Amino acid sequence: EAQVTQNPRYLITVTGKKLTVTCSQNMNHEYMSWYRQDPGLGLRQIYYSMNVEVTDKGDVPEGYKVSRKEKRNFPLILESPSPNQTSLYFCASSLSLWQPQHFGDGTRLSIL
Amino acid sequence: ILNVEQSPQSLHVQEGDSTNFTCSFPSSNFYALHWYRWETAKSPEALFVMTLNGDEKKKGRISATLNTKEGYSYLYIKGSQPEDSATYLCAHRHGGSQGNLIFGKGTKLSVKP
Repeated sequence: EAQVTQNPRYLITVTGKKLTVTCSQNMNHEYMSWYRQDPGLGLRQIYYSMNVEVTDKGDVPEGYKVSRKEKRNFPLILESPSPNQTSLYFCASSLSLWQPQHFGDGTRLSIL
Repeated sequence: ILNVEQSPQSLHVQEGDSTNFTCSFPSSNFYALHWYRWETAKSPEALFVMTLNGDEKKKGRISATLNTKEGYSYLYIKGSQPEDSATYLCAHRHGGSQGNLIFGKGTKLSVKP
């Protein structure tokens, strides 16, 4: 089944403890992206990747890192999480910039 | 950030009503416009990607039009059903930063039986 898989789905952690949210797609998609969703603010892009080893900042990249060492994986790294990073995170992928994005099921992060 | 505005913020209609929403985006250096449907507790699902001025796309009872010169897109739902209740998101790609996808805040549609 074609899908975008995020893990974990839920995580409660504490300030400063490094965490990684994994994202994997099995559709051979070139483009992958991370978003966060906050009430009243809508979906905002954190980072995106046009291809392997090519990543770029979205609108809200501060406090996040990403890597794209393989085509299928695009992990989101929070080196030193803070409470303002408590949010619902979505990973998405598409074959190209002209194609619709497929979204993962989301990861709800709570940072205390 | 190149803003994307959607209106109305929310809409309540009766089953069988037809409805439409608007997405406004910067008209210069247009690249693509996406529409997504987002049901509560699920993830967004793609409806359309539109790239050419004058594009019209249709999927069942849902259709969309695009005017890149004036910077707007309309989404239409004909004969709304309760299962159409969702938030409808549009998102814009600007030619100057094609990988960057800017979402509007959405129009939340509620269809009463």
